[in-house]
Amino acid sequence: SAVISQKPSRDICQRGTSLTIQCQVDSQVTMMFWYRQQPGQSLTLIATANQGSEATYESGFVIDKFPISRPNLTFSTLTVSNMSPEDSSIYLCTAVGTDTQYFGPGTRLTVL
Amino acid sequence: DQQVKQNSPSLSVQEGRISILNCDYTNSMFDYFLWYKKYPAEGPTFLISISSIKDKNEDGRFTVFLNKSAKHLSLHIVPSQPGDSAVYFCAALAGGTSYGKLTFGQGTILTVHP
Repeated sequence: SAVISQKPSRDICQRGTSLTIQCQVDSQVTMMFWYRQQPGQSLTLIATANQGSEATYESGFVIDKFPISRPNLTFSTLTVSNMSPEDSSIYLCTAVGTDTQYFGPGTRLTVL
Repeated sequence: DQQVKQNSPSLSVQEGRISILNCDYTNSMFDYFLWYKKYPAEGPTFLISISSIKDKNEDGRFTVFLNKSAKHLSLHIVPSQPGDSAVYFCAALAGGTSYGKLTFGQGTILTVHP
């Protein structure tokens, strides 16, 4: 199994600012993803973090708003840019091993 | 368009009794289903899964049933324990898709009372 850590675990930010969330996996994994869970909603896939190339975004999510990096197999970052209160969510990093998906603990973001 | 729905936001059960969590889906391309359990301040953890070629999968106290014609699945926990109190997410995967690209339901909060 893989252990995933995220930093920060939570943050309160002002409207218009940006926050970068870091995700570290303790072992090499094939794929990494970023999800969002808005209050009262289901987990929604934002994008696939591709190693050494641009992320692949799902419908409704764009690179300018959610730039993602994955410089190596075990590390990825998600930036939430020009934040608004609607961005208040839990952001989760996930990694896929050989047969299942592992979730990080999440980053709880509140935008004032 | 919510392709995976968990219509019960919460469920309260007495310790030792059965907990039944339900999930409905609309996308006929889904052929693999998973249940995740989530405690506060932690990420979801995998609980049990079922392929569309089966109608039942059992793992200890946990059993998942799949009714493809009704596009419905359920998770049974018997007997329920207070430590089972958590949020349970149903998730679905379409054929040939990476495990990472799951479609989730909204979750059901299960509370098991001693």
